[in-house]
Amino acid sequence: EAQVTQNPRYLITVTGKKLTVTCSQNMNHEYMSWYRQDPGLGLRQIYYSMNVEVTDKGDVPEGYKVSRKEKRNFPLILESPSPNQTSLYFCASSSSRTGDSVDYGYTFGSGTRLTVV
Amino acid sequence: ILNVEQSPQSLHVQEGDSTNFTCSFPSSNFYALHWYRWETAKSPEALFVMTLNGDEKKKGRISATLNTKEGYSYLYIKGSQPEDSATYLCAFAPPGYSSASKIIFGSGTRLSIRP
Repeated sequence: EAQVTQNPRYLITVTGKKLTVTCSQNMNHEYMSWYRQDPGLGLRQIYYSMNVEVTDKGDVPEGYKVSRKEKRNFPLILESPSPNQTSLYFCASSSSRTGDSVDYGYTFGSGTRLTVV
Repeated sequence: ILNVEQSPQSLHVQEGDSTNFTCSFPSSNFYALHWYRWETAKSPEALFVMTLNGDEKKKGRISATLNTKEGYSYLYIKGSQPEDSATYLCAFAPPGYSSASKIIFGSGTRLSIRP
């Protein structure tokens, strides 16, 4: 089954303890993105990647790192989490550049609900 | 800052009625527009991707139109059913290769269908 797999689904952690949220897709998609969802703010892009070793900042990159060493994986790293990073996180992937003639939009993972205390 | 506005924020519709809602985006800086349906406790799912002014797309009872000159898109649902209850998100993609994967989401329209 074609899918984007995120782990973990839920995570409660303490301020300052480094964590990684994994994201893997089995569709050979070039494009991957991380978003956070906060009440009343909509989905905001954290980082995106256009291919292996090609990443760029989205709208809210502060406090996050990403890497794209393999096409299928795009982990999100919080080096020193803080309470304002408590949020619902989504990873998404796409087979084509947005707006290309064959663009089916993004396939989203199931989400990771992170609480930083 | 590029902004995407959706209205209304929420909508309650009787089963069987038709409804529509709006997504507004910067008309001067357009590349593509996406619509997603997001059901509670699930992930957003792509409905449509539109790129050309005047585009109309349809999937079952749901359709969408695009006006890039005035910067809006409408999503229509004909004969609403309880399974249509969800938050509908639109997302705008500005032009430029470096921003080709960069899409900006609106806050969504939360649709509830009353049986």
